[in-house]
Amino acid sequence: SQQGEEDPQALSIQEGENATMNCSYKTSINNLQWYRQNSGRGLVHLILIRSNEREKHSGRLRVTLDTSKKSSSLLITASRAADTASYFCATDWSNTGKLIFGQGTTLQVKP
Amino acid sequence: NAGVMQNPRHLVRRRGQEARLRCSPMKGHSHVYWYRQLPEEGLKFMVYLQKENIIDESGMPKERFSAEFPKEGPSILRIQQVVRGDSAAYFCASSPVDGGHQPQHFGDGTRLSIL
Repeated sequence: SQQGEEDPQALSIQEGENATMNCSYKTSINNLQWYRQNSGRGLVHLILIRSNEREKHSGRLRVTLDTSKKSSSLLITASRAADTASYFCATDWSNTGKLIFGQGTTLQVKP
Repeated sequence: NAGVMQNPRHLVRRRGQEARLRCSPMKGHSHVYWYRQLPEEGLKFMVYLQKENIIDESGMPKERFSAEFPKEGPSILRIQQVVRGDSAAYFCASSPVDGGHQPQHFGDGTRLSIL
């Protein structure tokens, strides 16, 4: 299977703290993407990092990519209750752009 | 609403019936992906279509499942003779770029329940 693995599976923190989620994958990739899913909703794209990039920022989000270790991390700084959601990494490895998703990390931010 | 539209949001079928799930991509997008999500799991790729063409159906079950994206109208995911194991959330995503490698825009999904 080329599906990625994420850890932790679940994370509970207090508002204001930082949250770090990790993702590992198995094959060479074109890019790696992070998505957020609120309960009962579709996925919302957060950030895309290409295979030749090592770090990317977007607002309170910071993503790193280590292709030698086939791993990525998503850091959410100064978390808010509204960040409570499931977070998925997805690898784009084919010619068609189809995504392979990890199992996700469920983040709970307590007010 | 310029987003990806899926309907119905919830669909209940009895075993043996047919389920039809519809997806209208974002305006200007001609590439559609279908994914299935089982409870507490990530999404699994099913099929990738462009207008009037199936490009990659490597994730589609060999039987009972089919997909189309006609020249006019929404993309349709069709499940014939549904079984309990088909219960899941089905998500559609669209992309403007040939071959992907761009963020995909997701609809809110259709939650299929089989009685």
